[in-house]
Amino acid sequence: GESVGLHLPTLSVQEGDNSIINCAYSNSASDYFIWYKQESGKGPQFIIDIRSNMDKRQGQRVTVLLNKTVKHLSLQIAATQPGDSAVYFCAEISDGLTFGKGTHLIIQP
Amino acid sequence: KAGVTQTPRYLIKTRGQQVTLSCSPISGHRSVSWYQQTPGQGLQFLFEYFSETQRNKGNFPGRFSGRQFSNSRSEMNVSTLELGDSALYLCASSFSGRGDTEAFFGQGTRLTVV
Repeated sequence: GESVGLHLPTLSVQEGDNSIINCAYSNSASDYFIWYKQESGKGPQFIIDIRSNMDKRQGQRVTVLLNKTVKHLSLQIAATQPGDSAVYFCAEISDGLTFGKGTHLIIQP
Repeated sequence: KAGVTQTPRYLIKTRGQQVTLSCSPISGHRSVSWYQQTPGQGLQFLFEYFSETQRNKGNFPGRFSGRQFSNSRSEMNVSTLELGDSALYLCASSFSGRGDTEAFFGQGTRLTVV
């Protein structure tokens, strides 16, 4: 079956450093991808999205890169802050949203 | 504008009971999707409703059901509860549900089955 997965369950970074969270997908027909952030006790929050006709999209402190050749998606967070501590999910849209299992981003002071 | 509202926030039920969870989408949104979130399985899609019709369904047993009302509010029901049904149940609303618009999540209902 189709799946969306993340490479690492936990990522620990120093405050102020850049964070890179990776995701691999298998459904080549997916044309829309989303990154969500989920803080403890809350539902997932939209961070940034990208369509399959794009390679890169930038938001505020976040950049999503899409490599369709290897079916790889990454989320880059610049100058990581304590408030960035959360679980990050990538999701693909084909017939509804399919989520990866999530990466827990831990910020070290 | 108000976000997605899920009620109740927390629920404790015993095995064999049934439960109904409620989701009020953002005003104007016609698509409501339900997800089950557990530490082991992550976020798993249950079903999606659009204009009172179930449009998509995930791979869950028939004990899990839902419906949507004319005001787009949705309920999901789980009958004959099992311990493994303990999870955070999330609903997400969007305008069309077809991936061309952002989906907004509620805070979820934490169901514990004992």
